[in-house]
Amino acid sequence: GAVVSQHPSRVICKSGTSVKIECRSLDFQATTMFWYRQFPKQSLMLMATSNEGSKATYEQGVEKDKFLINHASLTLSTLTVTSAHPEDSSFYICSAEQGNTYEQYFGPGTRLTVT
Amino acid sequence: GENVEQHPSTLSVQEGDSAVIKCTYSDSASNYFPWYKQELGKRPQLIIDIRSNVGEKKDQRIAVTLNKTAKHFSLHITETQPEDSAVYFCAAKVRGSQGNLIFGKGTKLSVKP
Repeated sequence: GAVVSQHPSRVICKSGTSVKIECRSLDFQATTMFWYRQFPKQSLMLMATSNEGSKATYEQGVEKDKFLINHASLTLSTLTVTSAHPEDSSFYICSAEQGNTYEQYFGPGTRLTVT
Repeated sequence: GENVEQHPSTLSVQEGDSAVIKCTYSDSASNYFPWYKQELGKRPQLIIDIRSNVGEKKDQRIAVTLNKTAKHFSLHITETQPEDSAVYFCAAKVRGSQGNLIFGKGTKLSVKP
């Protein structure tokens, strides 16, 4: 149980284009999902907290107009990187919280490369 | 807000030895402390966690201890094996309206055969 999927696993796009990443909880309902960004050899940096049916809460320094988050259902959250630039290249990981268990389970991550 | 410090950043041990990774946190309201193992290019995997109402928890070769007064918690791995080699992250969470996990910077553990 507690499986989180993420799609795509890898994406290469040209500068100026937009990329959508999907995060799904496969066997549980996730009221809250989280989006992280991880640079090589660094820790996970929380970008935003996504609650089903409401607007995401963004961490300081994260541009909400650039990183669009939608949490339309209890099993799906999407992150859209708009007008991507090379500096947006990173490993993006989502996680989902299983009910009131405290525990967060991570998706496999999406490697974004912007050329 | 919460701040989590993790030490050491790298740790090299011989197979069969024990490994200890320590974390401190700043927010006394934090009440949930998970540990994650992340292999290169893969997702973080929850390996053990502890809540603030207990001082120690053990699962086979892995144990976690929590000292609420000192605001620190530690991961102990006994009888280490090469497959334990990975980056380990500690985290702290205040159970509340947001419940965000705040991560330490990670410890790269290398177990030499």
